[in-house]
Amino acid sequence: QVQLQLAGPRLVKPSQTLSLTCAISGDSVSSDRSAWTWIRQSPSRGLEWLGRTYYRSQWFHDYAVSLKSRISIDPDTSKNQFSLHLNSVTPEDTAVYYCARWDHDHSYVDFWGQGTLVTVSS
Amino acid sequence: QSVLTQPPSASGTPGQRVTISCSGSYSNLGIKTASWYQHLPGSAPKVLIYYDDKRPSGVPDRFSGSKSGTSASLAISGLQSEDEADYYCASWDNSLSGVVFGGGTKLTVL
Repeated sequence: QVQLQLAGPRLVKPSQTLSLTCAISGDSVSSDRSAWTWIRQSPSRGLEWLGRTYYRSQWFHDYAVSLKSRISIDPDTSKNQFSLHLNSVTPEDTAVYYCARWDHDHSYVDFWGQGTLVTVSS
Repeated sequence: QSVLTQPPSASGTPGQRVTISCSGSYSNLGIKTASWYQHLPGSAPKVLIYYDDKRPSGVPDRFSGSKSGTSASLAISGLQSEDEADYYCASWDNSLSGVVFGGGTKLTVL
């Protein structure tokens, strides 16, 4: 059974960088059948896919078009985890953030982390 | 404005059958599969349907999915009070090179 444990600050100041990590157990961040994904949920925007990282002989990244200029998702093979960095945040980035596993073969999110509310406020 | 279009709300009485629609375009539902998620407040979303019509183990067979062209549907039969939740459809979008979600449908059990 895959488990995803999310960690990071719950409060970030405007213009700073939001950073979260997601520790994986029961699978490998280097798995060739999974993609490691960040999704957020807010009352105004519902569920929003942020991006993913995955390994297929080399590392690949895909990011939401609206966030491409200020997002990075990075794997850490030594700790079997992946991280989200979203810079220049505004109150619009306030949301519940989820890390998740995307099943590459069947194109769906099969495992979700517990979610954490991150508030952007001074 | 979400790439996939869902009705904002739906409702039914216990025991009824309810259907939630999800409309997309060629670059997503037209050539890629649909998945459906149930989201209860305070919990992570849970997958109900993947690959258009497949149910993960543990999901009751009251939940079923279908797709035709660029539209997908989630049907819930034998509606129960615990089905009251938000429901989201999702698909990969080839033009955007990313996952797109519907705006969500709030299901009320009357």
